Amino acid sequence: GAVVSQHPSRVICKSGTSVKIECRSLDFQATTMFWYRQFPKQSLMLMATSNEGSKATYEQGVEKDKFLINHASLTLSTLTVTSAHPEDSSFYICSARDEAGYSNQPQHFGDGTRLSIL
Amino acid sequence: GENVEQHPSTLSVQEGDSAVIKCTYSDSASNYFPWYKQELGKGPQLIIDIRSNVGEKKDQRIAVTLNKTAKHFSLHITETQPEDSAVYFCAASIWNTDKLIFGTGTRLQVFP
Repeated sequence: GAVVSQHPSRVICKSGTSVKIECRSLDFQATTMFWYRQFPKQSLMLMATSNEGSKATYEQGVEKDKFLINHASLTLSTLTVTSAHPEDSSFYICSARDEAGYSNQPQHFGDGTRLSIL
Repeated sequence: GENVEQHPSTLSVQEGDSAVIKCTYSDSASNYFPWYKQELGKGPQLIIDIRSNVGEKKDQRIAVTLNKTAKHFSLHITETQPEDSAVYFCAASIWNTDKLIFGTGTRLQVFP
């Protein structure tokens, strides 16, 4: 159980393109999902917390107009990188926590999206 | 805010040996400490976690210990196998905030 699916797994596109990444909780509902960014051989850095039915909460230094987050249902959050440039190239990973049942459930991660901007 | 340090950054062991990875955290309010394994090109996979009301937890070959006073927690892998080779991340959070702060990662290589 607790499977998080992320799509697409890889995107290569030209500078100036906007790219949408989807994160789905397949077998549970999640009012909160998280978006991380990971550069090669580095740790995961939290970008924003996605809240179902309300605005996302962004970490300091993350441009909310650059990284648009929508969490329209209990099983889907999307991250759109607008007008992407080469410096936006990175590995983007989402996570979600199963909030049903007993408390203190851990976060489960998707398999990430490798974004390459040419 | 919370800061998590992780050591060593790389660790090479012979198959069958034990591996230990250590983390320290700064915020005494942190009360949840998961460990994740990340294979190349994949997302992190939870392997074990511990809460602040417990000092040790074990799951087959994997164990985690927590010293709240010293703000240390460690991952112990016994009888290592080549398939244990991956990058391991520790993390800390204050439970009801849900925000995980990750350590810098440890690249573990297990040689046959």
